[in-house]
Amino acid sequence: GQNIDQPTEMTATEGAIVQINCTYQTSGFNGLFWYQQHAGEAPTFLSYNVLDGLEEKGRFSSFLSRSKGYSYLLLKELQMKDSASYLCAVRDQDYQLIWGAGTKLIIKP
Amino acid sequence: SAVISQKPSRDICQRGTSLTIQCQVDSQVTMMFWYRQQPGQSLTLIATANQGSEATYESGFVIDKFPISRPNLTFSTLTVSNMSPEDSSIYLCSVETGGPSGANVLTFGAGSRLTVL
Repeated sequence: GQNIDQPTEMTATEGAIVQINCTYQTSGFNGLFWYQQHAGEAPTFLSYNVLDGLEEKGRFSSFLSRSKGYSYLLLKELQMKDSASYLCAVRDQDYQLIWGAGTKLIIKP
Repeated sequence: SAVISQKPSRDICQRGTSLTIQCQVDSQVTMMFWYRQQPGQSLTLIATANQGSEATYESGFVIDKFPISRPNLTFSTLTVSNMSPEDSSIYLCSVETGGPSGANVLTFGAGSRLTVL
């Protein structure tokens, strides 16, 4: 079966750095997405990786290793507004999106 | 990216009744996707709605329970029929738009939070 694993919950301090990991086992690979979802709101797109390496976008970076079936989302200079759930999703060989359960990130002052 | 208007934003429903969720997009799109997100869980695709043809349902979802309409390229509805408390969930519509590196990025409506008593 296809599977995506993420930690259920993480806690970090305002101003710090946090890394959210995502491992996947899917039938083929056609890209990996990270979405942010604030409580009570819809998910919004954060980043996309299709080739190995690091994609940087402001305070957020996302890394992919296809050989290891592994990605991480790195958030720097954490702000209280970064408190949200972070969803990892992989597009498989049939271009179906497989979603992780999400990681709830709690930021403490 | 597309702008999606979804309604109702929330509703409390009685067991056995049906509710229709509407989704309006500000641009024409080929496919619209309906997702369910149960509390604390991941997104689950219910069906893909194409204009002019029947929706394609994922395993575990059937047309009698979740009938979908797609009358044109900017609008779709999802009905949750004969509701039970297990149908209490957030229902989201979404569309794909162009993203970085050729990705098809999903844009979501704000969601409809249904509570079935």
